[in-house]
Amino acid sequence: GENVEQHPSTLSVQEGDSAVIKCTYSDSASNYFPWYKQELGKRPQLIIDIRSNVGEKKDQRIAVTLNKTAKHFSLHITETQPEDSAVYFCAASLYDYKLSFGAGTTVTVRA
Amino acid sequence: EPEVTQTPSHQVTQMGQEVILRCVPISNHLYFYWYRQILGQKVEFLVSFYNNEISEKSEIFDDQFSVERPDGSNFTLKIRSTKLEDSAMYFCASKPSGGSTDTQYFGPGTRLTVL
Repeated sequence: GENVEQHPSTLSVQEGDSAVIKCTYSDSASNYFPWYKQELGKRPQLIIDIRSNVGEKKDQRIAVTLNKTAKHFSLHITETQPEDSAVYFCAASLYDYKLSFGAGTTVTVRA
Repeated sequence: EPEVTQTPSHQVTQMGQEVILRCVPISNHLYFYWYRQILGQKVEFLVSFYNNEISEKSEIFDDQFSVERPDGSNFTLKIRSTKLEDSAMYFCASKPSGGSTDTQYFGPGTRLTVL
């Protein structure tokens, strides 16, 4: 089955700096890669996703890149703010099948 | 904006007891999922459900687990005889349709504590 690895496990950045989280996946057939943000005690919330026919997608301060050849995808957060502090999960799936999640990255934005 | 809802928010039970976790997916969604997250760990897939039947299940989803859509709105997860290791946050998710165009939306979760 699909195996998603996520790095780093924790990330501390100064407010205003950028944060980058990287994920790799094992199943070359996977074609959908969402990123979820989870605040303490709350549900995972989708923040951005990318499909295999696209190499990069941006939504305001958040961007995701996908390298299908290398089977890795990354989340980029620019101009970080305190409210960006949360756990971020990457995931991979094939169409409507299950989501396979990475282990999560705890992001702390220092004021 | 419609959201997936789950009840109860927290369930405490004794080992060996049966529990039923309830979910109300978003109304026009057709695909339903259960995931669990043990404290401090990744979210793990349990089961997916479509057209009134299980479409996929993980190795975690053994004979102690079952799912049901008893009516047009509820989606339930039953654990027949709970074990200590079943303690986790259980998330329900739903998706409008198949294909690669739709996202899974998660409920707020039910924290299950098995004593």
